[in-house]
Formats: sequence, structure tokens, C-alpha cells
Amino acid sequence: DAGITQSPRHKVTETGTPVTLRCHQTENHRYMYWYRQDPGHGLRLIHYSYGVKDTDKGEVSDGYSVSRSKTEDFLLTLESATSSQTSVYFCAISREEVTQYFGPGTRLLVL
Amino acid sequence: AQKITQTQPGMFVQEKEAVTLDCTYDTSDQSYGLFWYKQPSSGEMIFLIYQGSYDEQNATEGRYSLNFQKARKSANLVISASQLGDSAMYFCAIQPNTLKRGGSNYKLTFGKGTLLTVNP
Repeated sequence: DAGITQSPRHKVTETGTPVTLRCHQTENHRYMYWYRQDPGHGLRLIHYSYGVKDTDKGEVSDGYSVSRSKTEDFLLTLESATSSQTSVYFCAISREEVTQYFGPGTRLLVL
Repeated sequence: AQKITQTQPGMFVQEKEAVTLDCTYDTSDQSYGLFWYKQPSSGEMIFLIYQGSYDEQNATEGRYSLNFQKARKSANLVISASQLGDSAMYFCAIQPNTLKRGGSNYKLTFGKGTLLTVNP
């Protein structure tokens, strides 16, 4: 158990609405990441954080923003959800600053 | 930029036999790490094994071993004595500059995965 939880685990929303996904860790790790998983693409990095209030973009960051006001929480926000953002979202943390361990995932459906 | 290629969309193996899942990579970094993850049908991503580019010996973790051939840029996963519970999607991933500190050096780039089915 990597001590990572994600909420909600499932969400259905409508196009144009804001959505926030939460990643919570209990082990005080510095590095946290958000990925999305789509068929045929594997996992792709959206944003990552290397400390409180320190974040940077990944390869598919358009349409997403993140915030990290506490070590244990990393929030991913879709300001105005689109159908192309229907995906499974995974949060990850780094232990020993190398290996990444993943949360259980959030399934998001944008209608 | 890093790239991972997994050329086998699907593989079948008989229970108790060994299977090799292929992974080739492309990177311009001198130092990097290679990872394998397992994703069963339940959806979670499970870390299996790690190989550093400067590690002289191939990594092993129980029934998993990584056949690392640096000159050929390949990092194949070998599962010995396959079990029914090994049926899952397997992803290879690369992470640049693991010896350095700093946010961007820890990004994982994944391949598209190989679906392994273990037959009884």
C-alpha cells in the first residue's frame, strides 16, 4: 500500500463544467504527479509537483491546472471539461525520488 | 525526448512457462532508469521492477527479471513460471537523469503496453 488515495473514484460530468480531482498521500513525499490513461496512448504526464506550491507542466497539460498548498494534497482541475478529457486519471508519488507509485485512479466521463 | 516502444500488443503463455515481453527505448540521456508496471483488469498500476542505466547487473525481483541490453537499447521483462494472476497489461517506462535532482528529471514516459494472457 503506497498510502495514496484519489477522490472521487468515478465521476460523470457535463461539457463546460469545472471538475477537481484530489490526490492525497500519507507519507510526506515531495514529488507528486498526475497522468491520464487513454486507449492506445499508455499513460501520459499532465502536471507534476516537486514541492508545496512548486509545479510544472507535463506533455498534455492544455486544459488542466494544478495546485499544491499542502505536502499531502495535489489537486488537478479541469476548468471547463471537454469530451476529450474523458479518461482515467492516475496520481503518483515518488519514493526515494526515483520509483513512482500510483494511486487507484479516477474514471472521468465528460458528456 | 524519450520514447518507449512495445511491439507486442498481445501475448499468450501457458501457465508455468516463462514469457518475455519486449521493450525498446530511445533516449539521448546518459543516465536514465527503466521501469515495468503491471495493470490488472481491476485497473491499478503496480510497480514491478527497476533498472538503472549504470547498473552492471540485470535487475531481478522474485519471478521478474529485466534483460537489459544497453547497446541495443532494450529492456525486456522476463516472467518465469507464469501464473494465472499474471494475466494483465504490462507497461515499460523510462525516466531520464535519475541521478540528478530536480522536478523535470522524474517524468516517466510510458509505452503503449502489452496485454499478457496466461492460459491454464
